[in-house]
Order: sequence, then structure tokens, then C-alpha cells
Amino acid sequence: DVKVTQSSRYLVKRTGEKVFLECVQDMDHENMFWYRQDPGLGLRLIYFSYDVKMKEKGDIPEGYSVSREKKERFSLILESASTNQTSMYLCASRPYDLKLYEQYFGPGTRLTVT
Amino acid sequence: AQKVTQAQTEISVVEKEDVTLDCVYETRDTTYYLFWYKQPPSGELVFLIRRNSFDEQNEISGRYSWNFQKSTSSFNFTITASQVVDSAVYFCALSASGANSKLTFGKGITLSVRP
Repeated sequence: DVKVTQSSRYLVKRTGEKVFLECVQDMDHENMFWYRQDPGLGLRLIYFSYDVKMKEKGDIPEGYSVSREKKERFSLILESASTNQTSMYLCASRPYDLKLYEQYFGPGTRLTVT
Repeated sequence: AQKVTQAQTEISVVEKEDVTLDCVYETRDTTYYLFWYKQPPSGELVFLIRRNSFDEQNEISGRYSWNFQKSTSSFNFTITASQVVDSAVYFCALSASGANSKLTFGKGITLSVRP
């Protein structure tokens, strides 16, 4: 079974803190993604990576950065957390070949910034 | 640009009713993939189906069925004889076919099935 794990299910941070959200997949997938999910807005792509050390901006990258030093790990960084970054964050991964594989999601991290 | 529209935001039905969740998409690609995901209250997205743009056959899996119509750019999802366990948020998504393509999601439909 493919497994995508995220470091925390729930996280509470203070405004201005640097926040790291970690995502690890165990299936040697090339592509990894970070989304945020807000009520009424669905899932919005923050960043994605199609290889180690490669990254591309998604639809809402402002206020975030990412790191992919190893193939299995993709980190989302909030350089200075703000209250409008309170959200559910979902990590996903998949191989290159969309013909054969879907995107697999982690359980999510519900981040609250106070 | 790609776009997925799920016009229904919330649907409430009584158990055993049939319910259809609508999905309309926009893309300029000739080859693309469509998906449905389910997000139960636990939060983790569960893959339900993938359909490529060249396969317009409808699909049935138990109580679930999908109707793909390229002519109307729609990929609708029907649950027959709904059950309380079907209560979840359902997302339709679209992707181009390239190796580095990303999924574009609709805003989701919250389905509540009452006993």
C-alpha cells in the first residue's frame, strides 16, 4: 500500500513563528504536492516538485516555501506564520505516469495560527 | 487554463435515495484525465475513479456510477441507494496528461445522508 505521512495531524503556532510541515512518501514517487484546503474554496495548490531539488509554484505560493532534499520527503515552510494561513494542509504524491496511477494523499495537518 | 466547476455545494438526502453529483470541466487539451475523490470526516482524500479523455464509456462500481460526456464537458457521479457512510465531501478533479501535470480541483460537494 502506498503511504503518504504527514508529521502532525494538528498544530498550533503563534503569529510570526517559522513553521515546518513535513511529508514523507514510501513509494519512490517522483511528484509531490502541497495543497491547502479551506471551506468553500476546495483544494488549492501551493507548490509542487517533480524531482529532488526541483520545485514549481502552484496557484497560491505567497507566504510559503518548500524544500525537497530527498526524493521521499517534501517540506512546506511558512517563513513567518500569519493568521490567514490557518488551514488544513494536504500533501500528495504520485509517479510520473498518470495513465496508471492516481495521486495519493496524506491525512492532512490542521494548522492553527494564533 | 483548466477549470472544474462543482455547482452544487451541499446536498442532503435521506438514506436509500439516489443522488447525482455534477462536475463540469474546461480544458484546451485533447488528452486529459478526470478524477473523483471522496473526503470522509476523517479528512484523508480517497481516490474513487480516473477516466481518460478517450474513454467515454460509463463506469459502474457497486452503488457508484460515473457518466462522462465530452460533448457537454461533464463527468457526473451517481450514488444509488445512498447510505450514511456516503456522507463526505466529494471532489472532482482534472489533469493534463503530461508527466509533471497537476490536478485542478473543484470546490467540492458536501453530501449528507440522513438515516
